[in-house]
Amino acid sequence: GQQLNQSPQSMFIQEGEDVSMNCTSSSIFNTWLWYKQDPGEGPVLLIALYKAGELTSNGRLTAQFGITRKDSFLNISASIPSDVGIYFCAGGNQFYFGTGTSLTVIP
Amino acid sequence: DGGITQSPKYLFRKEGQNVTLSCEQNLNHDAMYWYRQDPGQGLRLIYYSQIVNDFQKGDIAEGYSVSREKKESFPLTVTSAQKNPTAFYLCASSIEKNGPWNTEAFFGQGTRLTVV
Repeated sequence: GQQLNQSPQSMFIQEGEDVSMNCTSSSIFNTWLWYKQDPGEGPVLLIALYKAGELTSNGRLTAQFGITRKDSFLNISASIPSDVGIYFCAGGNQFYFGTGTSLTVIP
Repeated sequence: DGGITQSPKYLFRKEGQNVTLSCEQNLNHDAMYWYRQDPGQGLRLIYYSQIVNDFQKGDIAEGYSVSREKKESFPLTVTSAQKNPTAFYLCASSIEKNGPWNTEAFFGQGTRLTVV
C-alpha cells in the first residue's frame, strides 16, 4: 500500500503567522481530505475536496485540490495557539493517509 | 448525540493473549474502518467494511481479525499472531457524498493498546 508524501514533517511558527503544507501522491485521487489530530485523540475532518482545481475555505483554513489530482495543499492564516496538532491529508476512499505535519505555534 | 465510540481508551494485555477492541457508531454509516497509528506516523488501514457481513483487508491485516454482524458495530481482534501489537488504534465510519468515491470519515477517540 502507499502512504502519501506530506511536507513539511514539522513546523514551528510564531502566533499570527500563516502556515502552508502540502501532500503529493504518485496516484490520481478523486477526493482529498484534510484532518487535524490532537494528542491522544482521533482525527477530525477539516476540509473535504471533491473536484480537481477546487479551492475550499473553512474559516482561517483554505485547501486546494491540485489540477493533476495528485496533490493538495492546506493553508492556515493568522495561526493561533489552538492550531497546534498534527495535520493529515487523506486521498481516495479513506484508504491512504499522509505521514502528517506536526504544527507548533509559539505564543 | 451521534458519533463513534471506541472502548476502552487504554488497554493492557499480556503477550500471547488475544484482545478485542470495540467500535460502535450511531451515525447510520454503511462503511467502517480500522487503522493503526504508530508514534510519529500516519494512519495505516487494517480492515474496512462497506456493508454488513462483508469486510476487506487493508495494507496491514496480518495478525488482526474483524466481524461486521451489525451495521453499528465493527470490533477488531488483535491476535497473538500480530508481532508488534502495541499501538494506537482508530476506528472510523464514513458517509458517501456524491458517489462511492467521495467520502468523509468520522473517527472515534482511539484505543491505546499496550502489550507487555
